[in-house]
Amino acid sequence: AQSVTQPDIHITVSEGASLELRCNYSYGATPYLFWYVQSPGQGLQLLLKYFSGDTLVQGIKGFEAEFKRSQSSFNLRKPSVHWSDAAEYFCAISGAGSYQLTFGKGTKLSVIP
Amino acid sequence: GAGVSQSPSNKVTEKGKDVELRCDPISGHTALYWYRQSLGQGLEFLIYFQGNSAPDKSGLPSDRFSAERTGGSVSTLTIQRTQQEDSAVYLCASSFILAGAGEQYFGPGTRLTVT
Repeated sequence: AQSVTQPDIHITVSEGASLELRCNYSYGATPYLFWYVQSPGQGLQLLLKYFSGDTLVQGIKGFEAEFKRSQSSFNLRKPSVHWSDAAEYFCAISGAGSYQLTFGKGTKLSVIP
Repeated sequence: GAGVSQSPSNKVTEKGKDVELRCDPISGHTALYWYRQSLGQGLEFLIYFQGNSAPDKSGLPSDRFSAERTGGSVSTLTIQRTQQEDSAVYLCASSFILAGAGEQYFGPGTRLTVT
């Protein structure tokens, strides 16, 4: 069965600092990988996705993520965090021909002004 | 165009009552998904509809849960004889591309509280 692990439940960073949110997955083949963000009281918004090709993918709001097959990881990064980035971030996977997203438990990001 | 909409945004109900949650997907999206988000459980897949195919109900937690999708568009998730453990945020999503789940667009959710 496929699974996603986000090791950090809560991360606090200062505004302007760099950010890396970790995501590890378990899947029998190369999965499709996603990062979603959820602001308080809001639905989930897709930040970026990896299906194939270049392992470094760019997303919205200045985020990027790198797929590392050898480490079964898909970490999310941002060089300089803004206060508006405070939210909960979810990593998710699915597979070719699969329609079901499996989510990690999420990482809550707090930003100190 | 409009995004995925869900109604009601909040629902408080008494234990044992039935509730209906509604989802309007993005126009033209053929796939529709329901997820449940609860404390300690994260986001759980409930059910999936694709066109006129039989839905995948493998994620429904009990036979008290059911869903339908009329005319390939609007979907209703029904919970019968609600229990306190049903309290959660119920999220609906839709997508156009089938393979690999595509990009799922989520609605704002319905927060269900069972008292």
